[in-house]
Amino acid sequence: GESVGLHLPTLSVQEGDNSIINCAYSNSASDYFIWYKQESGKGPQFIIDIRSNMDKRQGQRVTVLLNKTVKHLSLQIAATQPGDSAVYFCAENIYAAGNKLTFGGGTRVLVKP
Amino acid sequence: NAGVTQTPKFRILKIGQSMTLQCTQDMNHNYMYWYRQDPGMGLKLIYYSVGAGITDKGEVPNGYNVSRSTTEDFPLRLELAAPSQTSVYFCASSYREETQYFGPGTRLLVL
Repeated sequence: GESVGLHLPTLSVQEGDNSIINCAYSNSASDYFIWYKQESGKGPQFIIDIRSNMDKRQGQRVTVLLNKTVKHLSLQIAATQPGDSAVYFCAENIYAAGNKLTFGGGTRVLVKP
Repeated sequence: NAGVTQTPKFRILKIGQSMTLQCTQDMNHNYMYWYRQDPGMGLKLIYYSVGAGITDKGEVPNGYNVSRSTTEDFPLRLELAAPSQTSVYFCASSYREETQYFGPGTRLLVL
């Protein structure tokens, strides 16, 4: 399949440890933020989202934190598994701009057994 | 539901040739999008549509055209292929201002 993210920053994590992926966004008017996971040769897959009026949201093994003061978003993955190896993208959305996502550059996560 | 489907999966074009990338969704989403993804980069929006008969330009529309005659289909047309259009193309759809769901992608190589 297509190799995505040849020159992306890489986070190596031991299986079972927690992972933290960071993202700085650009527009203080963004309403909505999404984390996507992209495995090699596949399209981005929705993980979790958060609206701008929240600062934390939890899903299954994942937590997203939003700090609007410094325009920073993070994704925490608990007990990282080999299947979590992928490229992770954050995206920001401004509803008034027609629901157009602006993607960050991505981070590759490599899970070591 | 099949979700978002794209064809072809892979295509090689010669410079100056034309082709249409097909995208279909069966979720009755009114919003549809085309993105391109270059190696090591995030996705860039080419065109989007908020409903049948309505299309608008995204960040990188030059060299592409779209149409939206039905809710389900959103084809992307390349009229005169150039090496700079070598990329992976993703189609996505959403129900209004909600999460976008992506297809598996079309890998295009222009030589």
